Amino acid sequence: AQSVTQLGSHVSVSEGALVLLRCNYSSSVPPYLFWYVQYPNQGLQLLLKYTTGATLVKGINGFEAEFKKSETSFHLTKPSAHMSDAAEYFCAVRIAGNQFYFGTGTSLTVIP
Amino acid sequence: EAGVTQFPSHSVIEKGQTVTLRCDPISGHDNLYWYRRVMGKEIKFLLHFVKESKQDESGMPNNRFLAERTGGTYSTLKVQPAELEDSGVYFCASSQKGRVETQYFGPGTRLLVL
Repeated sequence: AQSVTQLGSHVSVSEGALVLLRCNYSSSVPPYLFWYVQYPNQGLQLLLKYTTGATLVKGINGFEAEFKKSETSFHLTKPSAHMSDAAEYFCAVRIAGNQFYFGTGTSLTVIP
Repeated sequence: EAGVTQFPSHSVIEKGQTVTLRCDPISGHDNLYWYRRVMGKEIKFLLHFVKESKQDESGMPNNRFLAERTGGTYSTLKVQPAELEDSGVYFCASSQKGRVETQYFGPGTRLLVL
């Protein structure tokens, strides 16, 4: 069975500090991996995705994520948090076919 | 270019009533998906249309849920009769033909069943 685990339903960081949002997945086949962000009253927006090739993926707004097959992880990072980064973040995996499996989401708070 | 739109943004109904949610995908997108997020839980896949055909409806919870996409444009998701556990946020997404990995999501419809 496929699943996605996001550790920490709520994460708080100070403005300017490192953002680290964790995502682990389980899959018996190579996955496609995604991070989405949802700002209040908006739809999910794709931050970045890994399909094949380079394991370090850069996305929008300064975010990046690294696919580590040995650790079955795809953690999201940003070197310096900005107030505008406050949102809910979802990790997702696509194994085969057209289904996406999402994690439960991590709400990021940025403290001024 | 307009994004994926959903209507209504919020709906509050009583148990046993019927509710119909609507999704307008991005123009020209063959693929349309419905997802649901129950409070505090993960976003779960419900079904996938390719044009007007149901490609995969394995995520539909039960036969109280009916999705249609007549003409391959907008889609509706009807819940009849609604139960308390149907409360949640219903998301719609669309993607271009052959581009399943790039899905564009709507803002969601927040459904509360009392």
